[in-house]
Amino acid sequence: GAVVSQHPSWVICKSGTSVKIECRSLDFQATTMFWYRQFPKQSLMLMATSNEGSKATYEQGVEKDKFLINHASLTLSTLTVTSAHPEDSSFYICSASPGYGNTIYFGEGSWLTVV
Amino acid sequence: DAKTTQPTSMDCAEGRAANLPCNHSTISGNEYVYWYRQIHSQGPQYIIHGLKNNETNEMASLIITEDRKSSTLILPHATLRDTAVYYCIVRGWANAGKSTFGDGTTLTVKP
Repeated sequence: GAVVSQHPSWVICKSGTSVKIECRSLDFQATTMFWYRQFPKQSLMLMATSNEGSKATYEQGVEKDKFLINHASLTLSTLTVTSAHPEDSSFYICSASPGYGNTIYFGEGSWLTVV
Repeated sequence: DAKTTQPTSMDCAEGRAANLPCNHSTISGNEYVYWYRQIHSQGPQYIIHGLKNNETNEMASLIITEDRKSSTLILPHATLRDTAVYYCIVRGWANAGKSTFGDGTTLTVKP
């Protein structure tokens, strides 16, 4: 079946640095991908919609200058957490779908710990 | 997307059927019911989806009421590995994948 892969699975970075997380659709093209954040014992919260070839759409309350999203190709979206702080530590998950009405597939998630 | 309501938690004995309910009373005609589960520290896994008719696949069965205001996910023979948080999501056909997650149901399968 369709697979969405994230990299890295986990990352530790120092406060003030930036970290990039990749999301790839391995066997289908996705003009749209989605980024979620999940804090411990909480549900997934949609952060932004990544659009291939155009600007991402951010949910209310999500800082677009802090969470940079680039969707440079039909199979790759990246999320860069800039000037990371300990409160940015979370589980980041991406999702993609082969097209309208199709099943949505989620990546394995990426654990970010900012120290 | 329509709002969904699920019980916070449920227990099930290993080998028995697990029936997980979901209320989606504000569902509209073009919205599908999707079920996902999330095992600790992993991304959500697709289980099944449906519009009106009952659906079955190798993982589970989905029963949707005639008025479509509620549905039940059935895991016919629950195993310990089915312990997870189960999310019921309602979304439209035209939606390219944007999903709103509620709190889900934590299913604990016990020996």
